[in-house]
Amino acid sequence: NAGVMQNPRHLVRRRGQEARLRCSPMKGHSHVYWYRQLPEEGLKFMVYLQKENIIDESGMPKERFSAEFPKEGPSILRIQQVVRGDSAAYFCASRKPGQANNEQFFGPGTRLTVL
Amino acid sequence: KQEVTQIPAALSVPEGENLVLNCSFTDSAIYNLQWFRQDPGKGLTSLLLIQSSQREQTSGRLNASLDKSSGRSTLYIAASQPGDSATYLCAVYGGATNKLIFGTGTLLAVQP
Repeated sequence: NAGVMQNPRHLVRRRGQEARLRCSPMKGHSHVYWYRQLPEEGLKFMVYLQKENIIDESGMPKERFSAEFPKEGPSILRIQQVVRGDSAAYFCASRKPGQANNEQFFGPGTRLTVL
Repeated sequence: KQEVTQIPAALSVPEGENLVLNCSFTDSAIYNLQWFRQDPGKGLTSLLLIQSSQREQTSGRLNASLDKSSGRSTLYIAASQPGDSATYLCAVYGGATNKLIFGTGTLLAVQP
């Protein structure tokens, strides 16, 4: 049973470009969370999605960031017109609905560098 | 608003010592608490998850305790080894969506 997969593992973009980060949850997991770790800072919650629905986006920056989790395929975190301050590690985690302890399982992260 | 604090921010110990990492949280209405390890430039490795009804969990040389009423958790590492050197993160599951709220971590260095 493969774990949570994220790709790419490293992504380099120039200012103004778009970044697309993908997260494939574990088999049977229909809940996805995205977290961001800025340099020298802690991990912060960004958004929580279930299939085809955004449940909680209270941690998402108001502009340029969006997330989706379609019925088929991976969850996508999209950053438009990237700026240097978007350079960070982005982690996704998934969990199974109805799991007793609600444990989230983390992917290896995508490290975004904006030049 | 839930806040999670970890003390100390950094810790250096000689190999073989037993050590305790501390985590405190401001809102005792948590669901679970989880300890992670993060190596430089790497992802998160789950160490222990304590459900709110539990008081401790053990795995090998690691023991984590939870006291919800006082808003505290500790991670005890026995007989530390250089391979234990990493950043240790504490996180609480909270709110209706069970999102994780992380502390800022304790950077541990175990000297050979």
